[in-house]
Parts: sequence; structure tokens; C-alpha cells
Amino acid sequence: DAGVTQSPTHLIKTRGQQVTLRCSPKSGHDTVSWYQQALGQGPQFIFQYYEEEERQRGNFPDRFSGHQFPNYSSELNVNALLLGDSALYLCASNPRGRGEQYFGPGTRLTVT
Amino acid sequence: DAKTTQPTSMDCAEGRAANLPCNHSTISGNEYVYWYRQIHSQGPQYIIHGLKNNETNEMASLIITEDRKSSTLILPHATLRDTAVYYCIVRFIQGAQKLVFGQGTRLTINP
Repeated sequence: DAGVTQSPTHLIKTRGQQVTLRCSPKSGHDTVSWYQQALGQGPQFIFQYYEEEERQRGNFPDRFSGHQFPNYSSELNVNALLLGDSALYLCASNPRGRGEQYFGPGTRLTVT
Repeated sequence: DAKTTQPTSMDCAEGRAANLPCNHSTISGNEYVYWYRQIHSQGPQYIIHGLKNNETNEMASLIITEDRKSSTLILPHATLRDTAVYYCIVRFIQGAQKLVFGQGTRLTINP
């Protein structure tokens, strides 16, 4: 049984560009959450999706958007990249109603 | 979600029990205590959670005080692979399911 998978593993972008990160949840999980982790900090909640809708959002600007597909996979899009967007982006999944979130390995985004 | 306080860092000898404390004095009656850990450059890993009773699984034991204002995560026989940042998180089980991470405790297991 595959766990949460994310792609790509690493990514380098230039300021002002746009990026799309992808996540496949663990089998049987219908809820996906995204987190941003800056170097030396704990992960910060971006937003959560289930039933293909954004259900809760953290304190992130509208440049951060997402999508969930009918197969429960999800994308995180970031527009107009800033240097400060450089971070590890983590995807987590859980069955709705269960509190244990399972995390993927993350995507390391570097903005130059 | 209630705030938690953890020591910044701890050391433990390999093979000994590692006891990681967490204070959550403002916890409410329907908030759970969750523990995650993050090994360098990997995604956080769920360890265990509990409401008021002590819990044990294949990874660890969770001891919650009777007044629920603090808890201790116990790794019974620490190995070098247990070196990680450990996060104690308090959250409601219903409703929004986001996790609010603090700074955590950096646990170093020494040979």
C-alpha cells in the first residue's frame, strides 16, 4: 500500500514564475492538506481539501491556490513566486473524520 | 487549539528510554494530544494520540496527567534512528483538522 506521494521532489524556479506541485493521498484517504515548512521552522498549514472543495485555509495570500480531483489527488499552485516562497511543501492525507494525518516526503522548492 | 510548550532540545543514550515532556495547561475537555516526529528532510510522521487515558502502540507510549495539563511521550528503547524533531500538538478531533506545529523538541540519541 503506497503512502502519500508527491512530485516533483525538488524544483528550482525564478521570481515571478508560477509553480504546480502534486500530491496523491494514501489509499482510502479522501482529505488532503498542504503545509509549507521554511528552514528551521515547523510546518505551517496552507489549506485543506475534501469533496473537491477548499474547506479551510491558513494565513496565506491568494497567490496560493489548490485543486482536488475526483480521485482525491491534489495540486498546489503558487503564482508570482517570491524568494520567501522557498520552502519544503508537504502534503498530508487522512480519511475524513480521522485525526491522524499522514505526510508525504515533500517537495523542496527553491526560488532564485 | 491550545498552545503547547516543549523543551527546545534533549539528549538520550541509545538503548535507554527517551521521555519527552509537553505542557498544555489550557487544554479543553474535547481536545486530543497528538505527537508527530520529523526526521531530517522528511515529512512528519504520526506517532500516537490520546484524550485522557494512557496510550501505547508499536512506536511509543503516551502518558497524560490526570488534570490533562501535561503529557509525556516515551520511546522505550531509543535507537539512533529515533533522532528527530518531536512535535506535541493539541487539537479538536471534530471540525477542521489542520495541525498547528510549534517548534518541537530536537531529540538526539547518542551512541
